[in-house]
Amino acid sequence: EIVMTQSPGTLSVSPGEKATLSCRASQTVSSNLAWYQQKPGQAPRLLIYGASARAAGTPARFSGSGSGTEFTLTISSLQSEDFAVYYCQQYNNWPPITFGQGTRLEIK
Amino acid sequence: ELQLVESGGGLVQPGGSLSLSCVASGFTFSSYWMTWVRQAPGKGLEWVADIKQDGSEKNYVDSVKGRFTIFRDNAKNSLYLQMHSLRDEDTAVYYCARRTSGRHYGCDVWGQGTVVTVSP
Repeated sequence: EIVMTQSPGTLSVSPGEKATLSCRASQTVSSNLAWYQQKPGQAPRLLIYGASARAAGTPARFSGSGSGTEFTLTISSLQSEDFAVYYCQQYNNWPPITFGQGTRLEIK
Repeated sequence: ELQLVESGGGLVQPGGSLSLSCVASGFTFSSYWMTWVRQAPGKGLEWVADIKQDGSEKNYVDSVKGRFTIFRDNAKNSLYLQMHSLRDEDTAVYYCARRTSGRHYGCDVWGQGTVVTVSP
């Protein structure tokens, strides 16, 4: 099973600033990686797939990069609605699909 | 509108059984892999199971193998998760989700979730 590790656990950033979230895989997942956003009491929302392709409706301020074992989600200029928990998910070796433990993005 | 609506959650004793349902609308259900993902209280996301468009392929996380069964009825646009021998650690919000078409495995449509509580 591929273990996904996200860092940091919590990230404090001011609105308008850039946020950089990291995700590391225990073995290569090529570019088979997705990112999700989850707000309290809501289902997750797909943001990025294929490591860097934005899903329908994902604002351009969200960008994904990386391949192999190291991945990054960057939010270029934080808006109030972006404060949430973010999860990465690998689908290179499945089953099982595995998620990272999440990064909580909070307002500084 | 693309929509998934889960039902069937509730309180069940350890060792008990429960069956979850998910009804899809707004898209051609039979054209998509479907997935169950769960989230324990205050915890992250855990993939539980998935099923191919025609039901011919099913996959499970190890912790539920032999206890949970995923199946679908394309005529009813419905996905199901039958759960037996429930344990405390199965307590979670259970989401059904649609896997994106093509080779990528992103879940692009989600239900609102149904709560399963396993407790004496």
